[in-house]
Formats: sequence, structure tokens, C-alpha cells
Amino acid sequence: GAGVSQSPRYKVAKRGQDVALRCDPISGHVSLFWYQQALGQGPEFLTYFQNEAQLDKSGLPSDRFFAERPEGSVSTLKIQRTQQEDSAVYLCASSLVGLPTDTQYFGPGTRLTVL
Amino acid sequence: DAKTTQPPSMDCAEGRAANLPCNHSTISGNEYVYWYRQIHSQGPQYIIHGLKNNETNEMASLIITEDRKSSTLILPHATLRDTAVYYCIVKGTYNTDKLIFGTGTRLQVFP
Repeated sequence: GAGVSQSPRYKVAKRGQDVALRCDPISGHVSLFWYQQALGQGPEFLTYFQNEAQLDKSGLPSDRFFAERPEGSVSTLKIQRTQQEDSAVYLCASSLVGLPTDTQYFGPGTRLTVL
Repeated sequence: DAKTTQPPSMDCAEGRAANLPCNHSTISGNEYVYWYRQIHSQGPQYIIHGLKNNETNEMASLIITEDRKSSTLILPHATLRDTAVYYCIVKGTYNTDKLIFGTGTRLQVFP
């Protein structure tokens, strides 16, 4: 079946622009995570949704970062007034029902470059 | 911060077993050990997880020491397509628990 998809795969933005990154989780998956991966580093947690509820946003680096999942399926990560330090790969992951050992399935990521 | 320690890089000949070690000396009794890998330009891929017993699936085996302070991921017959960064992750038992990645082990499989 279809896996997690993300769009766009690549995004170039000028400093100060707003961007929106989309995640389509696996159909029926309840949990959705966003991670940020800087070059040469492991992914770092940004935020977590269970259905439409954002239960953890402790990893969002600033108030310029905002995520939503209004209908409990597709999610959008928005970054306002992008800065060069926002350049990274943004990964989305989903899992089925949110049991403790549910596997997180990752999308291919969106590579954001801020000039 | 990541709760695990891994060597930054390892090499393995194609067809041989790759044994990737991980230290997690501060692991709690209800925490699991997970392994993911990330092939270049792709998202992380789940490999295997375990609590205290050894586990095996179609991809790999996971050996956890009796004191649970370390583990080894074994790829029994490495291929060139196994070249990737391998992450060992300790994860709690709540569905809200995020994955905390370290810097992983870069495994290079050579012909």
C-alpha cells in the first residue's frame, strides 16, 4: 500500500518568506510526528498529533513554526519568516493506533533551503 | 539528549555479517530498544525492536544483553543496499513518546 508521502520534496525559499510543507500519512494512521534533520545529524522531534489534537509541540524551535492537522489526516507544517538556520530536511512519520510499540513509518522528507 | 552511544562508522564486506553495537546503560525497565536505518536521501526505516528478549525478523536480529545495558544489531548477510546510517533508539512505553535519534553508525558495505 501507499506509504507516507510529503510534498514538495524540495523547497527553496528566500529569507523572510513563509513556507508550507505537507504530509499525507498512511491511511487510517492515528499518530503523526514531525521531525527536523539538519545536515549530518539525526532527526529531531518537532511535534506530535493524535488525530487532530496536537498533544506535544515541545520541539518546535520558535513561534515561527506552526503545525496543524485539522481533519486528523493530512498535516501541514508552516514556517513563517524563514531564516537560514531553518534549512534542513523536514520528516513526517505516522503510526497506526498509538500503542506503545507502534512502528513509526517515515516519509521521504522535504528538503528546505533558505537563501 | 539521546540515551544511546554508537560508534560513528563501521565497514563490512558484502556477504558477511554486520554487527552494530549500541550502549544504553541508563535504560529503564519499561523502555524498548529500537533500531532504524536511513539510506541516503530517504526517510528512516524501521528495522526491529525489543524489550529484553532477543528478536529476529526478516531484516535482522537484535541481541540484548541480560542487564539490558547494551545491544547488537546483526545483519546476517550484508549487501551493498545495506549501506546506511543505523540508529539505536531507546523509547518509552507511551504512544506519545517521540523517537530521540543520536548521530548513529554509518555502515559502509564494500564489495
